[in-house]
Amino acid sequence: GQQLNQSPQSMFIQEGEDVSMNCTSSSIFNTWLWYKQDPGEGPVLLIALYKAGELTSNGRLTAQFGITRKDSFLNISASIPSDVGIYFCAGQGAGGSYIPTFGRGTSLIVHP
Amino acid sequence: KAGVTQTPRYLIKTRGQQVTLSCSPISGHRSVSWYQQTPGQGLQFLFEYFSETQRNKGNFPGRFSGRQFSNSRSEMNVSTLELGDSALYLCASSLRGVDSPLHFGNGTRLTVT
Repeated sequence: GQQLNQSPQSMFIQEGEDVSMNCTSSSIFNTWLWYKQDPGEGPVLLIALYKAGELTSNGRLTAQFGITRKDSFLNISASIPSDVGIYFCAGQGAGGSYIPTFGRGTSLIVHP
Repeated sequence: KAGVTQTPRYLIKTRGQQVTLSCSPISGHRSVSWYQQTPGQGLQFLFEYFSETQRNKGNFPGRFSGRQFSNSRSEMNVSTLELGDSALYLCASSLRGVDSPLHFGNGTRLTVT
């Protein structure tokens, strides 16, 4: 099946710093999604991308759909303590299937 | 409006037992999908129900089954529990199916001893 490689696995940063994480795949996807999961809760959708090259923002978050359709990037600017959590990417549409394939997640810790 | 509700939040079972988990979707959502989340394998798709019919199924053994009722509420059943079934089980609802934005519940933490 499809594999998503998400990196980095974890990040420890100071409040105010910018954050970048990415996902790469051996398969082409038609949709890329980014979720955040807080401890003890389910994932919450942050950004959805539907077109190669698309750049979409949601507040301090910006995500891009790679032009090869095999990768996606998420940036968080000016991090704050409530950004702490696990960020997941997910791809949909590989081989005609819209069942999402999830990355393993990036654990973000923000030091005040 | 109310989000996705999963019950119970925590379960402890012993090997060989069976368990039933429940999910109430957001009002108006007809699709319910289930996922298993473990540290080793991440989030893996179990199955999706739409209008009481299983529409998609992941690569899990037949011990994992589910159903959906006419009010869109869904249950997931795992029979003959194994230690490796210990995981967070997440339910997600959506308007049209897995190709529309998924709204996750907070999960049921299952521990098998």
